[in-house]
Amino acid sequence: KNEVEQSPQNLTAQEGEFITINCSYSVGISALHWLQQHPGGGIVSLFMLSSGKKKHGRLIATINIQEKHSSLHITASHPRDSAVYICAVAGGGADGLTFGKGTHLIIQP
Amino acid sequence: DGGITQSPKYLFRKEGQNVTLSCEQNLNHDAMYWYRQDPGQGLRLIYYSQIVNDFQKGDIAEGYSVSREKKESFPLTVTSAQKNPTAFYLCASSKGRQDTQYFGPGTRLTVL
Repeated sequence: KNEVEQSPQNLTAQEGEFITINCSYSVGISALHWLQQHPGGGIVSLFMLSSGKKKHGRLIATINIQEKHSSLHITASHPRDSAVYICAVAGGGADGLTFGKGTHLIIQP
Repeated sequence: DGGITQSPKYLFRKEGQNVTLSCEQNLNHDAMYWYRQDPGQGLRLIYYSQIVNDFQKGDIAEGYSVSREKKESFPLTVTSAQKNPTAFYLCASSKGRQDTQYFGPGTRLTVL
């Protein structure tokens, strides 16, 4: 069974800072997802990637398959980016997604 | 608008009662999923369905049951056999199992 670890668990930063959230997993996967969960509980899918790098607005996600590691970056962070960011992996023998515990991000104005 | 809906948003249940959580999608997705989220833990898969009239147990299926009679609907029943049912329940759907999953807004179940 895949083990998904995220770091840091909690992160508080000032508006405008460059943010990095890390995710590592233990077994080879078919895809990795980055999700965003807002305080009300709703989850939005940000990225799904199996290699390389993807960019959407101020968000960038990278994955290194050999090192079993992915990072989510937020440039020019803003208070509205405050949320829980969740890494999830597909494959590795599991039936569905295996989720990390999430990184709780707070961006202060 | 295409999307995935869950109802109700909040649900209270007395111990010993069964309760059914609704999940509907109009995205024409074949696959649907139920997850449970507890404080400080990652989401865990309860059940999933890849096609109508077929579903599979996930990691924590004990005390839960599902049905998939229509493509659009995947209701989850929390039975009295579920020892610790208080949690946040999320439904999701995807075109296929390897595709991006779209999540509903969730139902917060509290057992009194």
